[in-house]
Amino acid sequence: AQTVTQSQPEMSVQEAETVTLSCTYDTSENNYYLFWYKQPPSRQMILVIRQEAYKQQNATENRFSVNFQKAAKSFSLKISDSQLGDTAMYFCAFMKPLLVMRFGAGTRLTVKP
Amino acid sequence: EAQVTQNPRYLITVTGKKLTVTCSQNMNHEYMSWYRQDPGLGLRQIYYSMNVEVTDKGDVPEGYKVSRKEKRNFPLILESPSPNQTSLYFCASSPHWGSQGQETQYFGPGTRLLVL
Repeated sequence: AQTVTQSQPEMSVQEAETVTLSCTYDTSENNYYLFWYKQPPSRQMILVIRQEAYKQQNATENRFSVNFQKAAKSFSLKISDSQLGDTAMYFCAFMKPLLVMRFGAGTRLTVKP
Repeated sequence: EAQVTQNPRYLITVTGKKLTVTCSQNMNHEYMSWYRQDPGLGLRQIYYSMNVEVTDKGDVPEGYKVSRKEKRNFPLILESPSPNQTSLYFCASSPHWGSQGQETQYFGPGTRLLVL
């Protein structure tokens, strides 16, 4: 069965600095997707970034980028130029087609002014 | 506006009293899912549906039922709620496989349930 592990329950970063959130997963599948979701205090689930396993190029979305290491089964999220609005819970997630989804336990990120 | 809606948003009930949480999407999505979120556990998939009349169990289906009679609706039914079903519940939908953005799920706002 697929599992997703986020080893950092809480992290903090100073505004404007860079922070990296870790995620590892375990699967025997070759075709899958990986995601980072943000959950602010409103509890809304917001997609931050996604990565197709068959693509070697790391995904980027503005200040957010991932380091996808398929052989190591690692999928870390880097947030550059951290902003106060980045304060949230971040979940790493794995999707096996079709629609089987597994989430990590989450990392609570606090951006300090 | 494209969205997934859930009702109610908050619910307090007592053990054994049947309840239904509704989920509706207006994006003509084939796929829909239900998740529960608990502290320290992240989100766990309860049930998912690939189309009308097609549903499958996720990782934590015990104590829950679903139905998919219409494409837009995917209600979650708790026949006899128990305190261990106190949780935050999310519904999500996504387009059919093979379409643009097929893997992206759109989440509803969540339903906070307390079972006494």
